[in-house]
Amino acid sequence: DTEVTQTPKHLVMGMTNKKSLKCEQHMGHRAMYWYKQKAKKPPELMFVYSYEKLSINESVPSRFSPECPNSSLLNLHLHALQPEDSALYLCASSLVPGQSLYGYTFGSGTRLTVV
Amino acid sequence: SQKIEQNSEALNIQEGKTATLTCNYTNYSPAYLQWYRQDPGRGPVFLLLIRENEKEKRKERLKVTFDTTLKQSLFHITASQPADSATYLCALTAYMDTGRRALTFGSGTRLQVQP
Repeated sequence: DTEVTQTPKHLVMGMTNKKSLKCEQHMGHRAMYWYKQKAKKPPELMFVYSYEKLSINESVPSRFSPECPNSSLLNLHLHALQPEDSALYLCASSLVPGQSLYGYTFGSGTRLTVV
Repeated sequence: SQKIEQNSEALNIQEGKTATLTCNYTNYSPAYLQWYRQDPGRGPVFLLLIRENEKEKRKERLKVTFDTTLKQSLFHITASQPADSATYLCALTAYMDTGRRALTFGSGTRLQVQP
């Protein structure tokens, strides 16, 4: 299995809702990442999990709450989002944290719309 | 501050020609540089990695050069095809404010190959 699987593919949520994005990989990668991508912009790093521990939080608002239950799973819990949080949320993994000579493997993303 | 710049937002070429994309960086000393392809609504896909001690790397119709003196990488697609139309992103492993490293992307170049 050489994929990163993200669910759901699309999500529409109201500003008072609570929802979760899920990400799964079975490549034995020990680093997992959340990126946010707005239209016509590059992906921007949000969080990094290294060996299942949060190692980087790029000053992300607390309405985004990451969780790494085990080495294969990564969740992003969403609560009280704003319309400007609408974006493509990408999960990625790499063999080791930071440096990766084999690149990062990205999922197809969750297209989030906040109404 | 650290910057990764891809000079052309968009590049249009005729099928069969060579596409050349440019990535410049400032205030980085990367050990290697990566190139990714991204199709609309999908996650980036890793294409090539080039190390600082490698001048050139090839993979099928793709060629990447890396000049650490000029702080520049060139990405070439020879005998381009309409199926090569996509956004191409260069990426470096950068130190974040926390002192840890993660992949940071340039702004991307949208390539359109005309039949």
